[in-house]
Amino acid sequence: EAQVTQNPRYLITVTGKKLTVTCSQNMNHEYMSWYRQDPGLGLRQIYYSMNVEVTDKGDVPEGYKVSRKEKRNFPLILESPSPNQTSLYFCASSLWFSGGVYNEQFFGPGTRLTVL
Amino acid sequence: GQQLNQSPQSMFIQEGEDVSMNCTSSSIFNTWLWYKQDPGEGPVLLIALYKAGELTSNGRLTAQFGITRKDSFLNISASIPSDVGIYFCAGLALNFGNEKLTFGTGTRLTIIP
Repeated sequence: EAQVTQNPRYLITVTGKKLTVTCSQNMNHEYMSWYRQDPGLGLRQIYYSMNVEVTDKGDVPEGYKVSRKEKRNFPLILESPSPNQTSLYFCASSLWFSGGVYNEQFFGPGTRLTVL
Repeated sequence: GQQLNQSPQSMFIQEGEDVSMNCTSSSIFNTWLWYKQDPGEGPVLLIALYKAGELTSNGRLTAQFGITRKDSFLNISASIPSDVGIYFCAGLALNFGNEKLTFGTGTRLTIIP
C-alpha cells in the first residue's frame, strides 16, 4: 500500500531532551516536506527537500533540523525542544514538480508532540 | 509566512443541509486546493483547481477558483455524517523546486444528529 508513515504517533517529552520524528514513504517520491499544525493557524511548512541531500527552510524552521540521506526517509530533529514546539506534525511527499499540474502531496497520519 | 483567511472557522449543521466555505488571500495563487482532515488522520486532497473561474466537482463537492485568483470556494451538498472533519484550503505558489502550499486556517464541520 502506498503510504507515508511517521513514528512515533504520540510523544510527550521534557524541555531540552533531543528527539527525532521519523518519516518514510514508499512511493519513490522526490519531494518531501514537514508541516506543523496549530489551532487557528492551519498547517505551516517547517522544512522541505527536493531530493536526496537537498533540503531548505520553509516558513517556520527555527528550532528544527532535517536530513535527507535516503530518498524514502526524511527525519525531523528537535535538538533542544521547547514548550512552544508542542504541536501536531505532518510529513508529506510528492513527485517532483513537472510544471503546470499540481503533484498531489500525500500526508502521513501525524505525530502529536507535547513538550513539558 | 503568509496565511490564508478561511471562513467560517466552524459550522454546526444538520444532516442533509448544504455547506459553503471560502478562502481569501492577499496574493495570487497558480493553483487552489481543498483538503479534508478526518480526526486522527493527515489531510487528504479533495479537489484541485488550476484556472481562474474554473468550477470543478467531486461527487457532492463543488469548488471554484476565483476570478481574481485570490480566492476560492467550496460547497458540499446534502451533507452526510462522514463529511465531519476539518476542511483546509491551500494555495500553491510555484517557486521552482518547492511546491509550497500555503494553508488556510481550516473550517471545522460538525453535523448535529
